[in-house]
Amino acid sequence: ETGVTQSPTHLIKTRGQQVTLRCSSQSGHNTVSWYQQALGQGPQFIFQYYREEENGRGNFPPRFSGLQFPNYSSELNVNALELDDSALYLCASSLTSAGTDTQYFGPGTRLTVL
Amino acid sequence: QQPVQSPQAVILREGEDAVINCSSSKALYSVHWYRQKHGEAPVFLMILLKGGEQKGHDKISASFNEKKQQSSLYLTASQLSYSGTYFCGYNAGNMLTFGGGTRLMVKP
Repeated sequence: ETGVTQSPTHLIKTRGQQVTLRCSSQSGHNTVSWYQQALGQGPQFIFQYYREEENGRGNFPPRFSGLQFPNYSSELNVNALELDDSALYLCASSLTSAGTDTQYFGPGTRLTVL
Repeated sequence: QQPVQSPQAVILREGEDAVINCSSSKALYSVHWYRQKHGEAPVFLMILLKGGEQKGHDKISASFNEKKQQSSLYLTASQLSYSGTYFCGYNAGNMLTFGGGTRLMVKP
């Protein structure tokens, strides 16, 4: 059984640019959640995708957007990058969108905005 | 509003016990516990559900007081591998809201 994978591992961008991060969910999982983790803090919920539809969103501006594909893999897009967007971006997949399901995290993408 | 974890940091000797607490001001459906080592992804430890059901790690125990909206994670006979940052996350719908973390260091 393949776990959650993310790409790329590291990324350096400059302010104002756009970035796309990718996540492949664990086999059999139809739900992907995205989190932003700043240094020394807990993960902050960005949004969740369930069966290709956005299924909940945290307190993030519209320049954070996402997609989920028919194979349940997902993308996180961030437009007009700001310095504060520098963080570890984690995706987590779960069997369903139920709040009682375990979320399994990928290794993350470290984004640095200069 | 994120759950509050205590203590913020703890240092143990191998073999000692520790308790990490997590409290929330919101009504909870479930509490999720994760451990994250430096530079790695959070690893699932335990889910506690309303009604007392638990799912998770054999060697780690936890409790969930639904009335007080509090959860505690019990680490007994700590090992060096227990070092890391522990996060509780509460689920009051379909999103996990994590606390700020408890940094645990186990020394030989």
